Amino acid sequence: AQKVTQAQTEISVVEKEDVTLDCVYETRDTTYYLFWYKQPPSGELVFLIRRNSFDEQNEISGRYSWNFQKSTSSFNFTITASQVVDSAVYFCALSEDNFNKFYFGSGTKLNVKP
Amino acid sequence: DAGVIQSPRHEVTEMGQEVTLRCKPISGHDYLFWYRQTMMRGLELLIYFNNNVPIDDSGMPEDRFSAKMPNASFSTLKIQPSEPRDSAVYFCASSPQRKSLGNEQFFGPGTRLTVL
Repeated sequence: AQKVTQAQTEISVVEKEDVTLDCVYETRDTTYYLFWYKQPPSGELVFLIRRNSFDEQNEISGRYSWNFQKSTSSFNFTITASQVVDSAVYFCALSEDNFNKFYFGSGTKLNVKP
Repeated sequence: DAGVIQSPRHEVTEMGQEVTLRCKPISGHDYLFWYRQTMMRGLELLIYFNNNVPIDDSGMPEDRFSAKMPNASFSTLKIQPSEPRDSAVYFCASSPQRKSLGNEQFFGPGTRLTVL
C-alpha cells in the first residue's frame, strides 16, 4: 500500500490563481515527519517544509501555506497568487519514527500559465 | 557551504558497460541515500547508509547494482553490466543524524544516465 498518495497527477492554472496540492499519508507511528519538495524543470529537488506529527499548526511562508490535519491524514500545500516560476513537480514525503527513510508520493506536476 | 555533489552530471553508455556514479555528501551529515527517478516509477529509494554502513538496500533492483561508502565523504553506485532499462536520473541525498524534529534530506543535482 502506498504510504503517501498524491492523487493529482497534473494541475494547470493561470497565473494569479490559488492552487492546492493534496497529500494523504498512511502510518501507524505516533511520531512521524512530513515534507514537501519542489522539483523545477531544471531537475533538482528543493526542500520546502518539514512538519512533525505533534505540530498541527498551519504554516505560512510568503505565498506558500501548508495545512496539516491528522484527523484526515492530510498535509496539503497551497500556493496563493501562483506565478509562472511555481511551475514544477511537487513531492510530498513521509518519514516515520526510528527511521531516516523517506516515502515519497508520486508527485503533482503544476503548470502555471501566464 | 557546498551542497551534495554528484558526478558525472550526464552519462551516456552502451549496454553491457560498467557505470559508476559518484556522490560527495554534505560535510557532517551521517546519512546518505541513493534514489532513482523515472517517469514510470517516480522516485525510488535504492539504498541508504548511516555512518558509512548500509542500512537498507531493499530497493536495489538486482545484483547488477552495488553501492559503497568507503568513508564519510564519498559514495559510489555501480551498475555492471548496464542495461537500457537502467536509464534514469540518479540522485544522491544526505541528511544529518536524526534529531527530535526530523531531518530533511538535501539532494544533489542528479546524474542523468542513458544506456543505449
